[in-house]
Amino acid sequence: EIVLTQSPGTLSLSPGERATLSCRASQSIITYSLAWYQQKPGQAPRLLIFGTFSKATGVPDRFSGSGSGTDFTLTINGLEPEDFAVYYCQQYDTSRGTFGQGTKVEIK
Amino acid sequence: EVQLVESGGGLAQPGGSMRLSCAASGFTFSSYSMNWVRQAPGKGPEWVSHIDGSGKIYYADSVKGRFTISRDNVKNSVSLQMNSLRDEDTATYYCARGKTATSACMDVWGQGTTVTVSS
Repeated sequence: EIVLTQSPGTLSLSPGERATLSCRASQSIITYSLAWYQQKPGQAPRLLIFGTFSKATGVPDRFSGSGSGTDFTLTINGLEPEDFAVYYCQQYDTSRGTFGQGTKVEIK
Repeated sequence: EVQLVESGGGLAQPGGSMRLSCAASGFTFSSYSMNWVRQAPGKGPEWVSHIDGSGKIYYADSVKGRFTISRDNVKNSVSLQMNSLRDEDTATYYCARGKTATSACMDVWGQGTTVTVSS
C-alpha cells in the first residue's frame, strides 16, 4: 500500500502570499496518478488537481500542481480568503485511492 | 445537474449491520466508477471501497471481509453493506464518482451520511 505523507501539518499565511504544500509517497507513483482536494468545514472534499498537473473544472489559475516519482507539490499563488482550508493529496495509481493526512492552511 | 445523494446512516451497535445507499443523477452512471470514502470526526478522508464501471471491486484493508459494495446500473445507485460494525467505523460516509470508468480520482461527491457505532 502506498502511504502519503503531507507537510507541513499547518501553514500560517496571510492573504496574497504563496502557499506551497508537499506530499511525499512511500513508493514511486509512475503514472502521475496524484490528486489534490480542498475541504472546508462541514463540506465534502472538492477535487482541485488530478493527474499531478491538471486542474479540475472551475478551479482558479492560482492553483497549480507539480511533481513526479515520490514528491508532489500543490502551489497556491496569491491566497484568497476562500482558500483557507484543509488540503489533502490522494494517490489513485492502484484503484485504491489512499489519502494523505492533510495540510491546514490558516490565516496568519 | 450531476448529483449524488447518500442515505441510510444512523446509529448501530457494535457487531451490527447497516446499509448505505447513494442515488446518482445527471450523468451516464454506468460509464463511471463509484467510490465510498469515510471521514471520522476531526480526521482526514479514508478511501473505503471502489467499484468500476464493469463491476471490478476493491476494498481498504480496514473493511475487507466486513463491507460489500454493489451497484445497480439500471437504478443508478451504489450501495455499501456494512457488517460486523466496530466503534472505529464511526464516520461520515461519502459516495463519490470516479473521473472515469476505472479511476479512484473522485470529481463529484455527495453530501455525506453519518454512521455512529456505539452501544
